[in-house]
Amino acid sequence: GQQLNQSPQSMFIQEGEDVSMNCTSSSIFNTWLWYKQDPGEGPVLLIALYKAGELTSNGRLTAQFGITRKDSFLNISASIPSDVGIYFCAGINNAGNMLTFGGGTRLMVKP
Amino acid sequence: DTAVSQTPKYLVTQMGNDKSIKCEQNLGHDTMYWYKQDSKKFLKIMFSYNNKELIINETVPNRFSPKSPDKAHLNLHINSLELGDSAVYFCASSQEVNTQYFGPGTRLTVL
Repeated sequence: GQQLNQSPQSMFIQEGEDVSMNCTSSSIFNTWLWYKQDPGEGPVLLIALYKAGELTSNGRLTAQFGITRKDSFLNISASIPSDVGIYFCAGINNAGNMLTFGGGTRLMVKP
Repeated sequence: DTAVSQTPKYLVTQMGNDKSIKCEQNLGHDTMYWYKQDSKKFLKIMFSYNNKELIINETVPNRFSPKSPDKAHLNLHINSLELGDSAVYFCASSQEVNTQYFGPGTRLTVL
């Protein structure tokens, strides 16, 4: 089946730094999504991308849908302690009825 | 006014037992899902129901039996629990596959 590879697996940064993480796939996705999971909670949708090349922002978060439709990245600017959590990319399968998740990027922010 | 709720939050049980996890959504969504998140945080779809009908079954052992009495509820019954079933199980609901709302998760520990 379709698989998503996320990198890095984990990051430990200083508060105020910018963060970048990405997600790649061996096959094309028509929709890319980015979720955040806080400790002890379920994932929450941050950004959805629907068109190749699309760049979308949500506050300090910016995500882009790669031109090849096989990758996406998420940037977080000026990180703060509450950005701590696991960030997942996800793609919608060809049938349009299922999400495939990447392995997650665990972000830790040092105040 | 919780959107997607799951019970119980924690479940500790012995190998071989049968247990159930319940999920309810008050968002009026037509589709509900069960996901399994393992110890490495990989998040994988198990089942999806649309208006009480099973539409996705991702090669889950038949010890796992979902039941949807109405479109607001999707329960998960697990027979003959095994050590490898230990994980966090998330319920989610959506009207469109790209905007899924996740519950808080049920942490299952099989001893």
